Amino acid sequence: AQSVTQLDSHVSVSEGTPVLLRCNYSSSYSPSLFWYVQHPNKGLQLLLKYTSAATLVKGINGFEAEFKKSETSFHLTKPSAHMSDAAEYFCVVPRIGSARQLTFGSGTQLTVLP
Amino acid sequence: DAMVIQNPRYQVTQFGKPVTLSCSQTLNHNVMYWYQQKSSQAPKLLFHYYDKDFNNEADTPDNFQSRRPNTSFCFLDIRSPGLGDAAMYLCATSPQGSYSNEQFFGPGTRLTVL
Repeated sequence: AQSVTQLDSHVSVSEGTPVLLRCNYSSSYSPSLFWYVQHPNKGLQLLLKYTSAATLVKGINGFEAEFKKSETSFHLTKPSAHMSDAAEYFCVVPRIGSARQLTFGSGTQLTVLP
Repeated sequence: DAMVIQNPRYQVTQFGKPVTLSCSQTLNHNVMYWYQQKSSQAPKLLFHYYDKDFNNEADTPDNFQSRRPNTSFCFLDIRSPGLGDAAMYLCATSPQGSYSNEQFFGPGTRLTVL
C-alpha cells in the first residue's frame, strides 16, 4: 500500500533561515505526491505536486520539493522562512487502488520565530 | 474566482440535536468529499460522491449521512451529534479523470457540540 511518513511533528526555524520539512513515501511505483498547507482554522491549500515530470517541483510562496526515488523522499524546502509560513504542512499521496482518494501524512507543524 | 464554499464557518449545536453542514462549488467538479479533522490530526475521509454515486468509508459511523442534490451542492448531516463529533469538517472537490488527483478544499466548518 502507498503511504507517507512525515519525519517531524514539529519544526521551529527563525525568520529568514531555511525550512526543511521531511517526507518519505512507500510505494511500489513512482506515485503522484503533494504538499498541502493549512493555516489555523482554514482549509488545505495545495503548495505543490509531483506527477512524474520534473523531479524538482516549484510551488507557491517560494516552496519547492525534490522527488528522490533512490531515497523514497519528497522533502519540502524554502530558502528563507517568513512569519506567514507558520502553519501545518501535510505530505499526501493518492490511495492505491483508488485514484479518487488521498492518504495523508501525520502533518508537521512549522513555527517561525522572529 | 472558482472556488469551494462552506457554510457556516462556525456551527454550534447541542448534544443530540441534528445539524447540517453545507458545501457548494463553482468548479464543476464531478467528485466531492467530506473530511473530519480533529485537533492536531490529519483529515479523515468520511465519504465521497463521484457524480451521484455515493462512496462511504468503512469506518464512518452511521450517525453521518450525506446528500448531493446536484453537481454544485453537497450536505453533511449529523443525526445525533456527540461530544466526540466536535471537529473541523472539510469539503473538497476533484475533477473527473484528474491524473494528479489534486483535491481543492473549502475553508472548513468548525463544529462545536455543547
